[in-house]
Formats: sequence, structure tokens, C-alpha cells
Amino acid sequence: DTEVTQTPKHLVMGMTNKKSLKCEQHMGHRAMYWYKQKAKKPPELMFVYSYEKLSINESVPSRFSPECPNSSLLNLHLHALQPEDSALYLCASSQDRSGNYGYTFGSGTRLTVV
Amino acid sequence: QQQVKQSPQSLIVQKGGIPIINCAYENTAFDYFPWYQQFPGKGPALLIAIRPDVSEKKEGRFTISFNKSAKQFSLHIMDSQPGDSATYFCAASKNYGQNFVFGPGTRLSVLP
Repeated sequence: DTEVTQTPKHLVMGMTNKKSLKCEQHMGHRAMYWYKQKAKKPPELMFVYSYEKLSINESVPSRFSPECPNSSLLNLHLHALQPEDSALYLCASSQDRSGNYGYTFGSGTRLTVV
Repeated sequence: QQQVKQSPQSLIVQKGGIPIINCAYENTAFDYFPWYQQFPGKGPALLIAIRPDVSEKKEGRFTISFNKSAKQFSLHIMDSQPGDSATYFCAASKNYGQNFVFGPGTRLSVLP
């Protein structure tokens, strides 16, 4: 399995809702990432988990809450989002600092906040 | 110093042409330079990558040229096809691959 699987593919939520994005990989990668991508822009790093521990939080608002239950799963919990948070949310994984250094991205969750 | 500049912003070529996308960086600590290809509605996919100890790398129709002294690198797509139409991002990282800095992207259109 060489994929990163993200669910759901599309999500529409109100500003008072609570929802979660899920990401799963079975490549044995020990680093996992959440990125946010706005239209016609490059991905922006949000969070990095390394060996299931949060190692980087790029000053993301607390309405985004990441969770890494185990080495294969990564969640992003969403609460009280704003319309400007509408974007494509990408999960990625990579081996840690050896071997293949590239990222494997999932296809993303297209989030719309209404 | 953390920026990666990328040009052109958009590019249109005929089928069979050789589009060239250029990137430049300032931080000499960067040691890994990948290119990603992204189709609409999909996540970016790693296309090819290079480290600064080589000046060129080829994989199929894709070639990276790297100029360490100028702090520039470029992507060449040989015999381009309409299926290559996508957005291309260059990126750079230090410490072997975490915390990439992405360029702003180039939208490539290959006309049939």
C-alpha cells in the first residue's frame, strides 16, 4: 500500500459544527503532516507529527486540533471554524530522516464552511 | 531567507514542446529539492527530486538541473503531452526532508 487515504473527500459544515478529518497510511511512515491549501496557492504547513508526537504547530488557531492515535492514523478536529477556513486540507506522510525524503500526499478533503 | 521563488506563474506550450520552470532560493542550508505535480482536486505528487551534490537528474521525460553557486534549479519536461497539464511546485527543505518550503507554483497547459 503506497497511498495516503483521506476521508471525507468533501465536507460542508456550519460555523457552530464540530467535525473531524481523517487520514490513514500503511507505509510505515513515522512522520505525518497536515497542510492547508487555498486555491491557486501552494500548500501551507499546519502540523507535523513525528513518531506520534506533535513536533511542529505552525501557529494554527485552536479551532484546529490535531490528533495522532497511532502511527497509521492522523485526525484533524474542527470546531467553530470561519468561512475563511474553507480550503483543501491535505494530509501527507514521509519516512523519518532516512530513506525516501519525499512526501506522499493524500487527495485531500475539500472543506467548505458556511 | 526561507522563501523559494518560482517562475513563470503560468506557461502554455504546444504538445512536444519543452516547458522549463525555474526556482531560486536563498537559504544555503537547504539540502533537498523536490518537484511536485498537482492535478485539480488532487493532492501534490512527488515527481522528481535532487540534492545539491549533483547538477542534473533525469527520470523519464523529467529533468532537474541544479546550479548550486547560483542557488537555482529548474524542471524541464521533454516531449510534453496534454496529460502533463497541471500545477507544478518546486520545494526545498533542510535536514533531509521535513518542513518543506514550497514555491508559489506554475500552472502548465500543454495544448494538443
